Amino acid sequence: QAGLTQPPSVSKGLRQTATLTCTGNSNNVGNQGAAWLQQHQGHPPKLLSYRNNNRPSGISERFSASRSGNTASLTITGLQPEDEADYYCSAWDSSLSAYVFGTGTKVTVL
Amino acid sequence: EVQLEQSGAEVKKPGESLKISCKGSGYSFTSYWIGWVRQMPEKGLEWMGIIYPGDSETRYSPSFQGQVTISADKSISTAYLQWSSLKASDTAMYYCTQSPTLLDAFDIWGQGTMVTVSS
Repeated sequence: QAGLTQPPSVSKGLRQTATLTCTGNSNNVGNQGAAWLQQHQGHPPKLLSYRNNNRPSGISERFSASRSGNTASLTITGLQPEDEADYYCSAWDSSLSAYVFGTGTKVTVL
Repeated sequence: EVQLEQSGAEVKKPGESLKISCKGSGYSFTSYWIGWVRQMPEKGLEWMGIIYPGDSETRYSPSFQGQVTISADKSISTAYLQWSSLKASDTAMYYCTQSPTLLDAFDIWGQGTMVTVSS
């Protein structure tokens, strides 16, 4: 099944800002929005943002999500060492009646 | 505290059957969806399917339809993922996830169950 496209990697310096993108189409991101997940090596993923761009309880305000057309974005401000992780987007695809995930972006904090 | 407790790691041979579990606690099990996600070694996340234990409504990804069966036993607040005939390519970590609605999945995650299929 077709997935969502994410850049493989993003590297930024400590306390800088990283913006991750997630590109889909009008059946998924453009229709329902995208959720964002963070996964540290060896751990289950954790939800960072709902598809309506709201953060679950306990998620830092440094993580903010937005959407423009068929592309969703996650912005991480004030990068910290603990932000090094893989980040995935996901959206419900109305043509597949299924969720699709992004290919994942590895964030490195220099 | 809302928790999803998954069953332990499994090592199986090709052709064997398997059923792994995900037990929910700290919330009304019948009022939330439980989904399953596969992550093959060093790979990304793949959505497999989802079930609503309240009425057993189940949806499958086209990629996994017919390959696995998702079920739930609401009397013991447990969801299941099962295979009738495992393949080496089923080797992966499997996560269960809980969500309040079909369109807002991935709220809470289990710790994962590693399934290794090898002759």
